[in-house]
Amino acid sequence: GESVGLHLPTLSVQEGDNSIINCAYSNSASDYFIWYKQESGKGPQFIIDIRSNMDKRQGQRVTVLLNKTVKHLSLQIAATQPGDSAVYFCAEKGRGNKLVFGAGTILRVKS
Amino acid sequence: NAGVMQNPRHLVRRRGQEARLRCSPMKGHSHVYWYRQLPEEGLKFMVYLQKENIIDESGMPKERFSAEFPKEGPSILRIQQVVRGDSAAYFCASSPPEAGNEQFFGPGTRLTVL
Repeated sequence: GESVGLHLPTLSVQEGDNSIINCAYSNSASDYFIWYKQESGKGPQFIIDIRSNMDKRQGQRVTVLLNKTVKHLSLQIAATQPGDSAVYFCAEKGRGNKLVFGAGTILRVKS
Repeated sequence: NAGVMQNPRHLVRRRGQEARLRCSPMKGHSHVYWYRQLPEEGLKFMVYLQKENIIDESGMPKERFSAEFPKEGPSILRIQQVVRGDSAAYFCASSPPEAGNEQFFGPGTRLTVL
């Protein structure tokens, strides 16, 4: 979800469980959405993307769902692993090429 | 194919000094973007450049900040007369000319202003 201020929302899951990370976006004209994973001290790493003419897209162990009616995006990670622990950002692209990032969600995987 | 490269990875400056951050895009990529990230926040767009052109600088502060992407060499983000509030991680991303969508990020430069 979204957060204001210095504290990111945190999702703690048990290893092997499924994770769902949510994001609300702001611009109804955005036509392209991306999920990024960012590990400590590293740059964002592309996970999966989806265009506005789709409502679901699947990758390896990940699924992105897009609900344009309520401007909501979610990332589902199947069989979550310790290596999935990171901060996850959604990003939207509207006019032009710049990406607008959400605040981020911390995913902690417990072994 | 090497990814996006940024240097230095860490940069320490005293207030009033200049900071120069470099970004070499992925091979074949002619679009470069700069983003700034404060602790526990998402990335904020600063500027979008193509070779020798600034396409969108709507996220750049009006003063002290400038960016270039020359015909030859890396893209440079320059911050003059740095202040403590400039301390952040600065990320560069690049994308190929034909797609313009997926952006590949570098490892970032962490600027600390003392």
